Amino acid sequence: AQSVSQHNHHVILSEAASLELGCNYSYGGTVNLFWYVQYPGQHLQLLLKYFSGDPLVKGIKGFEAEFIKSKFSFNLRKPSVQWSDTAEYFCAVNAQSNTGKLIFGQGTTLQVKP
Amino acid sequence: DTGVSQDPRHKITKRGQNVTFRCDPISEHNRLYWYRQTLGQGPEFLTYFQNEAQLEKSRLLSDRFSAERPKGSFSTLEIQRTEQGDSAMYLCASRHSRDTQYFGPGTRLTVL
Repeated sequence: AQSVSQHNHHVILSEAASLELGCNYSYGGTVNLFWYVQYPGQHLQLLLKYFSGDPLVKGIKGFEAEFIKSKFSFNLRKPSVQWSDTAEYFCAVNAQSNTGKLIFGQGTTLQVKP
Repeated sequence: DTGVSQDPRHKITKRGQNVTFRCDPISEHNRLYWYRQTLGQGPEFLTYFQNEAQLEKSRLLSDRFSAERPKGSFSTLEIQRTEQGDSAMYLCASRHSRDTQYFGPGTRLTVL
């Protein structure tokens, strides 16, 4: 069965600090990978996605993620966080061969101090 | 706004009552998903529709849960004889073919 693990449950950073959130998945086949973000009081929004091609993908608001197939990882990065990045971040995976259902990690709450 | 909409946004009910939630996907999105999210967890898949056909159901979807998508447009999720453990955020998402899933705002259910 597929599973997704996010290593950090709660991260606190000061503005301008660099961010890296870890995500590992368990699945032997070809996958699509996603990062979703949920800002306070808002619904889940897509931050970035990887389907194929360049393993370094860029998303909105300066976020990027790198797919490392050998490590089953898809870590999210941002060089310099802002207070407005305070949110909950979810890594998700779906197997290319199935219905497209997403398997989510537990989420990481990011708090950025001004 | 042409995003995914869900109704109601909040529902408080007493244990044992039935509740029904509605999801209106983005028009022309033929695929629709229901997820459940509890506090401190990521969303968990419940069920999937392609057009009007329900093609996958999670084992989380007990026989008290039923979902429909008549005519392949809006979808409803009904929970019969609600239990306190059903308290959660119920999320709907839709997508078109190989596109990504777009989520609605969710319906927060509280069972007293």
